[in-house]
Amino acid sequence: GESVGLHLPTLSVQEGDNSIINCAYSNSASDYFIWYKQESGKGPQFIIDIRSNMDKRQGQRVTVLLNKTVKHLSLQIAATQPGDSAVYFCAGGRGNTPLVFGKGTRLSVIA
Amino acid sequence: DGGITQSPKYLFRKEGQNVTLSCEQNLNHDAMYWYRQDPGQGLRLIYYSQIVNDFQKGDIAEGYSVSREKKESFPLTVTSAQKNPTAFYLCASSNRGDEQFFGPGTRLTVL
Repeated sequence: GESVGLHLPTLSVQEGDNSIINCAYSNSASDYFIWYKQESGKGPQFIIDIRSNMDKRQGQRVTVLLNKTVKHLSLQIAATQPGDSAVYFCAGGRGNTPLVFGKGTRLSVIA
Repeated sequence: DGGITQSPKYLFRKEGQNVTLSCEQNLNHDAMYWYRQDPGQGLRLIYYSQIVNDFQKGDIAEGYSVSREKKESFPLTVTSAQKNPTAFYLCASSNRGDEQFFGPGTRLTVL
């Protein structure tokens, strides 16, 4: 079955630096991948998604890269701000099946 | 405003009691989901429903029950058979193949 995991459980970055959060997946049949941000005590919020036929997608200050050859997904946050401090989850899905979530990476921004 | 709501925000239960967590959405989404989140962990799927009057077990359905009598509502009952119910419960909804929108969560504590 699908499994989605993250390379690092925690990440600390200086304010203003770029952050890169990584994710590996096992099911090459996944149609799409999503990054979520979860602040303490709240539900996850959608950040950005990418379909399996794409390599890169950009949003506001965020970029998701998909490398299907090595089954790797990354989220890049430009000019990281204190408000970016949260836990970030990647999730993979296919068709109508439920998303499978990784364990999350806690991003701490150092002012 | 369109969205997904959960109630209550905090819930306390005595051992041996059943409790029901509410989840309502007005996004006209077909699919709804329940996840459990333990401290420092990812999201684990309890139950999901892709259409009214139908639902499927997720990875950790034992000790839980659901119903889907209306498109807008997907209540979760935590039964006394659930041995370790203290957790943060998240409800989500989506249209098929699209991102899941999450509610704010219910924190359940067993006394």
